[in-house]
Amino acid sequence: SQTIHQWPATLVQPVGSPLSLECTVEGTSNPNLYWYRQAAGRGLQLLFYSVGIGQISSEVPQNLSASRPQDRQFILSSKKLLLSDSGFYLCAWRGQGVETQYFGPGTRLLVL
Amino acid sequence: AQSVTQLDSHVSVSEGTPVLLRCNYSPSYSPSLFWYVQHPNKGLQLLLKYTSAATLVKGINGFEAEFKKSETSFHLTKPSAHMSDAAEYFCVVGSGANNLFFGTGTRLTVIP
Repeated sequence: SQTIHQWPATLVQPVGSPLSLECTVEGTSNPNLYWYRQAAGRGLQLLFYSVGIGQISSEVPQNLSASRPQDRQFILSSKKLLLSDSGFYLCAWRGQGVETQYFGPGTRLLVL
Repeated sequence: AQSVTQLDSHVSVSEGTPVLLRCNYSPSYSPSLFWYVQHPNKGLQLLLKYTSAATLVKGINGFEAEFKKSETSFHLTKPSAHMSDAAEYFCVVGSGANNLFFGTGTRLTVIP
């Protein structure tokens, strides 16, 4: 069966520091991968998605970036965090040809 | 463009009474519709999905949803609420492409 992992689970970072969040998927090949952000009291905002290694599509302009160095690895990064980057970051995957997305456990990021 | 509206941001029910969480979507010739549940500080879990088969869809944990094309609705119901149902629920519509469009969520409170 397929599983999706995210780490760290919780992160507290000062403003201006770098960020790296990792997501990995097991049990499937060539998944579509997604990064979402969920701000307090709000719905999910799609940040990035990837249909393959090295292929990244950005949905909103921001100081975040994403990379997909391996088929089942998706990384969310920032060079300098802003206070507004605080939130709950969710990674998701879906198989080719299906719409259902499956979510990881999330990373809670607090920028102080 | 696809969109989804969750009509209630917060619903409170007593334990053992029925649950109704309302969702309307923008018209589409063949939408894919989903309900996800999110418990505090957890990722999203798929409850059920509609993909143009039976209009009454049964999901996990006793939940079900009925697709009504004439009303462009996909309301989520459960006959009897349990304390463990307290969570945030998201109605989601698929665009047929890479994106899912999320509602803003309905927080369900279950009163003992």
